[in-house]
Amino acid sequence: GAGVSQSPSNKVTEKGKDVELRCDPISGHTALYWYRQSLGQGLEFLIYFQGNSAPDKSGLPSDRFSAERTGGSVSTLTIQRTQQEDSAVYLCASSLVASGGPNPYEQYFGPGTRLTVT
Amino acid sequence: GQNIDQPTEMTATEGAIVQINCTYQTSGFNGLFWYQQHAGEAPTFLSYNVLDGLEEKGRFSSFLSRSKGYSYLLLKELQMKDSASYLCAVKGSNYQLIWGAGTKLIIKP
Repeated sequence: GAGVSQSPSNKVTEKGKDVELRCDPISGHTALYWYRQSLGQGLEFLIYFQGNSAPDKSGLPSDRFSAERTGGSVSTLTIQRTQQEDSAVYLCASSLVASGGPNPYEQYFGPGTRLTVT
Repeated sequence: GQNIDQPTEMTATEGAIVQINCTYQTSGFNGLFWYQQHAGEAPTFLSYNVLDGLEEKGRFSSFLSRSKGYSYLLLKELQMKDSASYLCAVKGSNYQLIWGAGTKLIIKP
């Protein structure tokens, strides 16, 4: 079946440019998460959506980062005026619900977008 | 603060058994996850523990002790394809998963 998809898979951009990363979650999953993973590091939580609402944006590194989700489905993460320290793999995950029994907690990850800022 | 600790790297031999430990300190506890991540790929779900004890699933088992804030992932009959990073994550008092930095497991023939 269709899993979480992300686009683009790779993005190389110049410092100062804006980039937009897209995530298509599994159909019917109400919760959507964005993470950042630098080389050899663990996952850094960025933002979480329940439906179209983002109850917690506390993980966003700066005001250059923003995200939205429309129709309870597709989400975009936008990074304005990119900096070299933004270079990382950006992972999107979705889960059936954000709370509840064991299985709904399981997060299904997309393949990620590798962002390189030169 | 909230903290997840696991070893950075471990090495084991093909066919052997390896145990990857994870200790945690979180505000609230609503379950512990283990994920596998091959290099350059997304994490994939391995196991979930919310009650104390051992959960066995094929060659992989996961153990939890809530009183000790401790879990381990046990991998038996190691295969070369098990070379990957293993991520421990805890669901605290809200929706978020708190992630460890991962343990890179190297399997040698």
